[in-house]
Amino acid sequence: GDSVTQMEGPVTLSEEAFLTINCTYTATGYPSLFWYVQYPGEGLQLLLKATKADDKGSNKGFEATYRKETTSFHLEKGSVQVSDSAVYFCALSDGVYGQNFVFGPGTRLSVLP
Amino acid sequence: SAVISQKPSRDICQRGTSLTIQCQVDSQVTMMFWYRQQPGQSLTLIATANQGSEATYESGFVIDKFPISRPNLTFSTLTVSNMSPEDSSIYLCSVDGAGGPRGNEQFFGPGTRLTVL
Repeated sequence: GDSVTQMEGPVTLSEEAFLTINCTYTATGYPSLFWYVQYPGEGLQLLLKATKADDKGSNKGFEATYRKETTSFHLEKGSVQVSDSAVYFCALSDGVYGQNFVFGPGTRLSVLP
Repeated sequence: SAVISQKPSRDICQRGTSLTIQCQVDSQVTMMFWYRQQPGQSLTLIATANQGSEATYESGFVIDKFPISRPNLTFSTLTVSNMSPEDSSIYLCSVDGAGGPRGNEQFFGPGTRLTVL
């Protein structure tokens, strides 16, 4: 079945450092790809998504590009802030109506001032 | 995007008891999903609930342990029955994107943090 692998954490960075969280996937079809973020004590929020190859999703300074040839969707941010401290989940879905989601294990990011 | 609320936000329960978690959405949605997030882990789908039909459970989850109701298009409940400490988790409700450009997304509630003693 479909699966998502992502960089194990925790990741600790200093404020203004560059962030990369690697995500690769295995899927039989052409899924949509997502990054969700979970701040402490909260549910998941969609950070960005891409629905087809070479699409770039971006939001709040975060970016990720759907790379079909490498089956990857790495998350990047040029300059992290303390407020970015959270758990980041890479996910895929082959459903048109929001079903059939597969989540990665999550990567905990801590940003120090 | 849908706004989702869950009650209770957290609870501490004794083993052998049951807890019912409510999920309310501010708009009509077709599918509602219930996830379990064990401490420090990712999300595991428990079941999908469609209005007017029985919930569809994932492997490893059974209706006797996690009965679900879906009485209308904006509300669902998940009951955790005969609880043990292994049921201590965050339980998350989510909904589908209900069509449109965000139709393939899921929107999540804030979660219910359950501790079983």
